[in-house]
Amino acid sequence: GESVGLHLPTLSVQEGDNSIINCAYSNSASDYFIWYKQESGKGPQFIIDIRSNMDKRQGQRVTVLLNKTVKHLSLQIAATQPGDSAVYFCAENRAAGNKLTFGGGTRVLVKP
Amino acid sequence: GAVVSQHPSWVICKSGTSVKIECRSLDFQATTMFWYRQFPKQSLMLMATSNEGSKATYEQGVEKDKFLINHASLTLSTLTVTSAHPEDSSFYICSAAGELAVRNEQFFGPGTRLTVL
Repeated sequence: GESVGLHLPTLSVQEGDNSIINCAYSNSASDYFIWYKQESGKGPQFIIDIRSNMDKRQGQRVTVLLNKTVKHLSLQIAATQPGDSAVYFCAENRAAGNKLTFGGGTRVLVKP
Repeated sequence: GAVVSQHPSWVICKSGTSVKIECRSLDFQATTMFWYRQFPKQSLMLMATSNEGSKATYEQGVEKDKFLINHASLTLSTLTVTSAHPEDSSFYICSAAGELAVRNEQFFGPGTRLTVL
C-alpha cells in the first residue's frame, strides 16, 4: 500500500555540523507534511510543517524541503546540538481527511 | 501550544486483564482524538479515530472489540485494552485536534507504556 518511508535508519553527526534527514512518500494526493521529533519514552513533538503548494519552509535552525516531482521530503537541522539527538519522523496527510501516516523514522545521534 | 495529557504514563498488568488509558486535552476542546500504537524501534501506527459523541473508526487490522475507545466529552477519550496479552505490550500515544485548529494539526500526548506479563 501507499506509505511514507525513510532512506536512513540512523544518522550520526558531529556536534555543530548540519544534519539532513530524508523521507520518501508515495501518495501524490498528500498535501500536507510534518516533521516530528521523538525522544525516548515521549510522544512526538512538532518541528515544522509544509503544505504542497510550497517547496521550502524555514524555522529556527530547521528547514524543510519538498520536491513533489520525485515525492521527496527532507529536514535540515543547522548546527546540530546534543539536544537534537532523537528519532525523527516525517508524516503525511492526505487531502481527504485528517489522518496522518508516519514514516519509519531516523535516529539522529549527535557526537560531542 | 495546546496540551494533551495521558494517564497513566506506564502500566504493568497480568495477561487476561483489562487496562484503561486516558487521554485529555487540557486547554482546548478536542472534537477528534486519535490513538496510535508504537512498538519498539518502529513508527507510530494509527489504530483509530474518535469523534466526540460518536463511535470510533478503526484502522484495518485493529480489533474494535479488543481496543475499546470512548470519546464521551470534548476533553477526554479513553482506550481500554481488553483481555490484554503480552503481544499488546506497546507504547500507546493519543493525539487531539480541536474544532478551530488549523486543518491537520494534531497535538500529541506523552504516551503510555503498557507491559503485559
